Amino acid sequence: DAGVIQSPRHEVTEMGQEVTLRCKPISGHDYLFWYRQTMMRGLELLIYFNNNVPIDDSGMPEDRFSAKMPNASFSTLKIQPSEPRDSAVYFCASSSSLGRIYTEAFFGQGTRLTVV
Amino acid sequence: GNSVTQMEGPVTLSEEAFLTINCTYTATGYPSLFWYVQYPGEGLQLLLKATKADDKGSNKGFEATYRKETTSFHLEKGSVQVSDSAVYFCALRRRDYGQNFVFGPGTRLSVLP
Repeated sequence: DAGVIQSPRHEVTEMGQEVTLRCKPISGHDYLFWYRQTMMRGLELLIYFNNNVPIDDSGMPEDRFSAKMPNASFSTLKIQPSEPRDSAVYFCASSSSLGRIYTEAFFGQGTRLTVV
Repeated sequence: GNSVTQMEGPVTLSEEAFLTINCTYTATGYPSLFWYVQYPGEGLQLLLKATKADDKGSNKGFEATYRKETTSFHLEKGSVQVSDSAVYFCALRRRDYGQNFVFGPGTRLSVLP
């Protein structure tokens, strides 16, 4: 398996523009997590899904952020409109709970977002 | 609630020195415990894990033992290398409904030649 795949790796956008980050989890994994990492706040959980259903979105900072998981192999995180304070590295991670054996989280390489 | 506390960094060591990074946790029930490592410009990678009390996780010369009595999972390595310079995260995974991960703030390690 190629691991968790995120795109794009880098994104530079102007304030006010819409940004969409994409994630393909590891095949067969039933949990998907979106994290944001900054120097000031460290690693923050934004939202996570189980079997494509959002379980906890309390970490989503504002209504400008939204996430979807239309099927087991794809998820998006959208910011509309974007602001400079959204600049961060966004990570997607996936894990498995098959047979009630809960595995570690496998992380993608991240998307470095810069809003100017 | 569930939380993970790590020693403040940065930690700077000379090559071949002994490493300890402290990690303590608060959790309901008996979580699984993990150490992740993040190299510059990369995502987090699992370094080692332990799923029950007294389990010892080990990988690449790193070790950590799940201590239920002290709610700790300290990371150790007998002889660090320059290539071990990275940020290390302690984490737990709850076993109740939700199965969320809780990460510590990370400890930056710099190893000097």
